[in-house]
Amino acid sequence: QVQLVQSGAEVKKPGASVKVSCKASGYTFTSYGISWVRQAPGQGLEWMGWISAYNGNTNYAQKLQGRVTMTTDTSTSTAYMELRSLRSDDTAVYYCTRSIVGAMPHLDYWGQGTLVTVSS
Amino acid sequence: EIVLTQSPGTLSLSPGERATLSCRASQSVSSSYLAWYQQKPGQAPRLLIYGASSRATGIPDRFSGSGSGTDFTLTISRLEPEDFAVYYCQQYGSSAWTFGQGTKVEIK
Repeated sequence: QVQLVQSGAEVKKPGASVKVSCKASGYTFTSYGISWVRQAPGQGLEWMGWISAYNGNTNYAQKLQGRVTMTTDTSTSTAYMELRSLRSDDTAVYYCTRSIVGAMPHLDYWGQGTLVTVSS
Repeated sequence: EIVLTQSPGTLSLSPGERATLSCRASQSVSSSYLAWYQQKPGQAPRLLIYGASSRATGIPDRFSGSGSGTDFTLTISRLEPEDFAVYYCQQYGSSAWTFGQGTKVEIK
């Protein structure tokens, strides 16, 4: 069965960076993309960006351009999301999702989430 | 950027009742590009509907989606206890996804 297993919770100071991993299993990794979605405490869902596991092409949300980098390691079927220059409002649960683009785009499988806390 | 506005913010209903959730887009959205998700407290969201009306794998048929253009609807025909949750609509456009702010369905 399809599974996305994310790395554990992180606590970071303002200005630092965080890198979250997402290990995929149960499907052909390079046949799909991975999107990252975050959710601040008590708030809604915010799409952060997408990466093609096939060729590494990326598309980032405009508000995060320059601070976020998404990568994949096809040898281990793992996706990574790095966010730099962290601020307190980056405190959120970060989810990786399997992304289907094309005729009917949607996010069909989600990781369990990784809580990133930014605090001095 | 297309903005999705969901209404109502909170829907208070009893088990067995019908729930009708609205998602309105600031400009026309291809119905193929509209999806709905359910999120329960402490859990990751779960895909319910994609392509505006196609149920995801394992989703009960009491969930249905409809709509086109700028107005889309998620209907839960008869609420079960496990359906009380927050629901988000989502659209895909210009290689990016955006979400509505969510509708909470709570027990009356």
